[in-house]
Amino acid sequence: EDQVTQSPEALRLQEGESSSLNCSYTVSGLRGLFWYRQDPGKGPEFLFTLYSAGEEKEKERLKATLTKKESFLHITAPKPEDSATYLCAVQVGSGGYQKVTFGTGTKLQVIP
Amino acid sequence: NAGVTQTPKFRILKIGQSMTLQCTQDMNHNYMYWYRQDPGMGLKLIYYSVGAGITDKGEVPNGYNVSRSTTEDFPLRLELAAPSQTSVYFCASSPRTSPHNEQFFGPGTRLTVL
Repeated sequence: EDQVTQSPEALRLQEGESSSLNCSYTVSGLRGLFWYRQDPGKGPEFLFTLYSAGEEKEKERLKATLTKKESFLHITAPKPEDSATYLCAVQVGSGGYQKVTFGTGTKLQVIP
Repeated sequence: NAGVTQTPKFRILKIGQSMTLQCTQDMNHNYMYWYRQDPGMGLKLIYYSVGAGITDKGEVPNGYNVSRSTTEDFPLRLELAAPSQTSVYFCASSPRTSPHNEQFFGPGTRLTVL
């Protein structure tokens, strides 16, 4: 069974204190790994897609990396507006529909 | 573009009542999805559609039905609502499955069944 585990469940940082969120996965035939940001009361918002081990993507203070077993979302010098829940998802399979499995998320709080 | 829109935003149902959650996208995406999100749980796929007239079950389809008569609309029907269907429901769409499958989500519908 495909599994996606995110850690920690919650993370509290001081403004400017860099850290990383982890997404570990156990799947057969990874097609892609996604990171989403979800603000309270809103739908998830797409951040990155990673396709192969060694790949990295950056957007402002966020950098996503991928290995064969896990992905990290590095947050450099975070600001209060980075506070949100960050979701990881993996896409597997082939053919017309490729199943996407979501993790339970890491709730990030950045304190001014 | 409005993206993915959902109505209503909130709804309270009594046990046994029925309702339809509406979802519309204006991005001409072929793929559409319905998820539910419960506290402490990941998003769970209820139903998906790969195009007009084509739908299929996801992980948790029991108690729900869908239809896809147009590219834009993908309504979710709850028949005989039960307390276990209390959740936040998200509709999403994507242009294709591979290699770019980023999904665009609506704002959600918070449903309470009492």
